[in-house]
Amino acid sequence: AQKITQTQPGMFVQEKEAVTLDCTYDTSDPSYGLFWYKQPSSGEMIFLIYQGSYDQQNATEGRYSLNFQKARKSANLVISASQLGDSAMYFCAMREGAGSYQLTFGKGTKLSVIP
Amino acid sequence: NAGVMQNPRHLVRRRGQEARLRCSPMKGHSHVYWYRQLPEEGLKFMVYLQKENIIDESGMPKERFSAEFPKEGPSILRIQQVVRGDSAAYFCASSQNPGIETQYFGPGTRLLVL
Repeated sequence: AQKITQTQPGMFVQEKEAVTLDCTYDTSDPSYGLFWYKQPSSGEMIFLIYQGSYDQQNATEGRYSLNFQKARKSANLVISASQLGDSAMYFCAMREGAGSYQLTFGKGTKLSVIP
Repeated sequence: NAGVMQNPRHLVRRRGQEARLRCSPMKGHSHVYWYRQLPEEGLKFMVYLQKENIIDESGMPKERFSAEFPKEGPSILRIQQVVRGDSAAYFCASSQNPGIETQYFGPGTRLLVL
């Protein structure tokens, strides 16, 4: 089974609108962390936001927020007020188990922001 | 506050040649991780190193690939006798503490094998 599933290969959003990128994960370990990274066309991987499995509140970082639904094993990324510079690939990743370091990535979602 | 540095950014090799990819972690980080990204795929873990030690190389192909992180200098990912299937983006990440902190990635090295 896939550890990280991103079901949307591509998404379009109008500039200034909000968009949700889906991510579901599969683990039986109670301790894990979930990450979102952005990969623009230039290719670098940019860390956006982190959610720990024991965190009580959903993580937020500026225009990024993580809609963490533990029972559904989903960790969707919400980008508010989209900007043209948000056009990129977005990857969800999981670090599974206390003390673990390996990140397992999904296949990504390509977001295109339309002016 | 320099981030993770990787060089070269682009590397072209002919089949059978050797590829050497370098990674300097962020200042204060002593844990280095290498990942590989094939076209249209997410990143896949290859190896985790601390200074002078390979901690986990479970994601490394058994042959032709090796990694090191010497006491002085950058971490090196070495691919001997490259084949076309080695063409990919290779990313290095670093962290201050494994399992606790976020891994910060370098810009990657794009390897093209002709």
